[in-house]
Amino acid sequence: GAGVSQSPSNKVTEKGKDVELRCDPISGHTALYWYRQSLGQGLEFLIYFQGNSAPDKSGLPSDRFSAERTGGSVSTLTIQRTQQEDSAVYLCASSLDRVMINYGYTFGSGTRLTVV
Amino acid sequence: KQEVTQIPAALSVPEGENLVLNCSFTDSAIYNLQWFRQDPGKGLTSLLLIQSSQREQTSGRLNASLDKSSGRSTLYIAASQPGDSATYLCVPRGNNNDMRFGAGTRLTVKP
Repeated sequence: GAGVSQSPSNKVTEKGKDVELRCDPISGHTALYWYRQSLGQGLEFLIYFQGNSAPDKSGLPSDRFSAERTGGSVSTLTIQRTQQEDSAVYLCASSLDRVMINYGYTFGSGTRLTVV
Repeated sequence: KQEVTQIPAALSVPEGENLVLNCSFTDSAIYNLQWFRQDPGKGLTSLLLIQSSQREQTSGRLNASLDKSSGRSTLYIAASQPGDSATYLCVPRGNNNDMRFGAGTRLTVKP
């Protein structure tokens, strides 16, 4: 596609429910990132996928958070047993990475998650 | 681990002023540096990307410079407009997988 697509754009869920957030990167982009941004705060790194390599999960805040990337394209971020502190905007970015060269990143519009 | 600092944290100027936003980073071993803007409640829009071999990049009223050895970048905005009001973020890209963001500079341009 022309840009990074995220869905849903807004999600309201009850505490304790599981949610899935989707990111569709730009076609051909090998690198994909998930970030979250709480109200009035900066961007917090969550996870990074690069091609077929094992993802860098070092930013995931707890084992309730997981992410996968199928076929090197679409990624799904899953939050299990959601808590109110999970409320934030979840942003996805992709990039056409090559060894030692980076072409810059493109962000999606984000998913605003509200846990009530 | 890369640390990014942006100064000032907030800036309010009247329309028409030229202004400079500053970004400093601790690890100078970067491949490039990217400037973004973020409007309230929205995603990030890329403004300029400077490769490590470059000194500056220009796009319209925006000019970004990079001094890799000293770990600094500046974003110059000429003839500011109310539509420039946003938070501006710089992101140096190095060997680390994650993009580390600073807190950004929140710019308000008053009509």
